[in-house]
Amino acid sequence: GAVVSQHPSRVICKSGTSVKIECRSLDFQATTMFWYRQFPKKSLMLMATSNEGSKATYEQGVEKDKFLINHASLTLSTLTVTSAHPEDSSFYICSARDTFYEQYFGPGTRLTVT
Amino acid sequence: GDSVTQMEGPVTLSEEAFLTINCTYTATGYPSLFWYVQYPGEGLQLLLKATKADDKGSNKGFEATYRKETTSFHLEKGSVQVSDSAVYFCALSRAGGTSYGKLTFGQGTILTVHP
Repeated sequence: GAVVSQHPSRVICKSGTSVKIECRSLDFQATTMFWYRQFPKKSLMLMATSNEGSKATYEQGVEKDKFLINHASLTLSTLTVTSAHPEDSSFYICSARDTFYEQYFGPGTRLTVT
Repeated sequence: GDSVTQMEGPVTLSEEAFLTINCTYTATGYPSLFWYVQYPGEGLQLLLKATKADDKGSNKGFEATYRKETTSFHLEKGSVQVSDSAVYFCALSRAGGTSYGKLTFGQGTILTVHP
């Protein structure tokens, strides 16, 4: 089946620094990728929809200047958490949608901001 | 707005027991309904789906029927195995418009199956 990878799987950073998370579709092209945030014992919350070659669409309440999304190719989307703070610590998950509109999820990235 | 409610977990069962995880939804129109499974250390995987009322999705012995009259999509399996231990998410997706493809998830239900 289709595979989506995320890098890094875990990252620890200091407050005030920026962190970039990559999401790659390994064996298919994805014009659309989604970024989710998962809190402990909570559901996945959609943060933004990333379309290749255009600006991301952010969900209500998500700060676009804090969570920068770039989808420069059909196989790569990146999420940059700028000026990270402890409250940004979370599990970030991406998904990629193939041409049959099936979504495939990455394994997630655990971000810890100290 | 759209929402999905799953039964509270965790659910603990013995091997070969019958499993039901309840899921109800609130949405306008005719959403597609999904069950995803997340095994420890892995990403979410689509388990099954149904795109219209009365459809039954099935996979790996799991089943769920799209019940529009009760806005439900309960997950069932007749005989669980230890390898079914995972977190199960119910989700819905709008059929079209600007929300097309966006998934709204329930809170997840942790299932643990003991030998």
